Amino acid sequence: DAKTTQPTSMDCAEGRAANLPCNHSTISGNEYVYWYRQIHSQGPQYIIHGLKNNETNEMASLIITEDRKSSTLILPHATLRDTAVYYCIVPYGSSNTGKLIFGQGTTLQVKP
Amino acid sequence: GAVVSQHPSWVICKSGTSVKIECRSLDFQATTMFWYRQFPKQSLMLMATSNEGSKATYEQGVEKDKFLINHASLTLSTLTVTSAHPEDSSFYICSADPGSASYEQYFGPGTRLTVT
Repeated sequence: DAKTTQPTSMDCAEGRAANLPCNHSTISGNEYVYWYRQIHSQGPQYIIHGLKNNETNEMASLIITEDRKSSTLILPHATLRDTAVYYCIVPYGSSNTGKLIFGQGTTLQVKP
Repeated sequence: GAVVSQHPSWVICKSGTSVKIECRSLDFQATTMFWYRQFPKQSLMLMATSNEGSKATYEQGVEKDKFLINHASLTLSTLTVTSAHPEDSSFYICSADPGSASYEQYFGPGTRLTVT
């Protein structure tokens, strides 16, 4: 997998946008960026993924830089329920094994 | 959305006994499921890939004779921890691939195993 680097932890005020960065400078041209999150003592939850265009769904927006070496996950209006560990993952692009290798992620604490 | 369940949600067993954990995809079929283990304050570690109708593929360092995986149907994979020891105490999580050729997977809620 392309290695990803994320800050260990971040804080965000409730109601404000949470911007979670991820560095993936060794990403290949056909590799997607996936984001998952894990709320304490639960299984991970898929959030969003993208290749090179910005993506938006009901949960979040994903902004990928033009050189694709980094991306930012944006939770537009963070709530207390968004407190979780957020994982940025770049799986293998060509082998399509389905394997997800989780790094340490970013612990997001949303505060009232 | 797609739902994956795990049973039991938590289990306590004595050292030396075996424990079976079930992972079910409730509203879709999954030819491939994955098993992860997570220790406190650590990230998820992929243990194995479970393929319906064939042998599981284990990650390096995972003992296949200790962690038996069976994927007998398109909606059920089981993980059996054999001869459990206290160091096997962990949070076990499965995920299911709906076969959409992406890495958008659905995870179960996890099973907390405590070996005494």
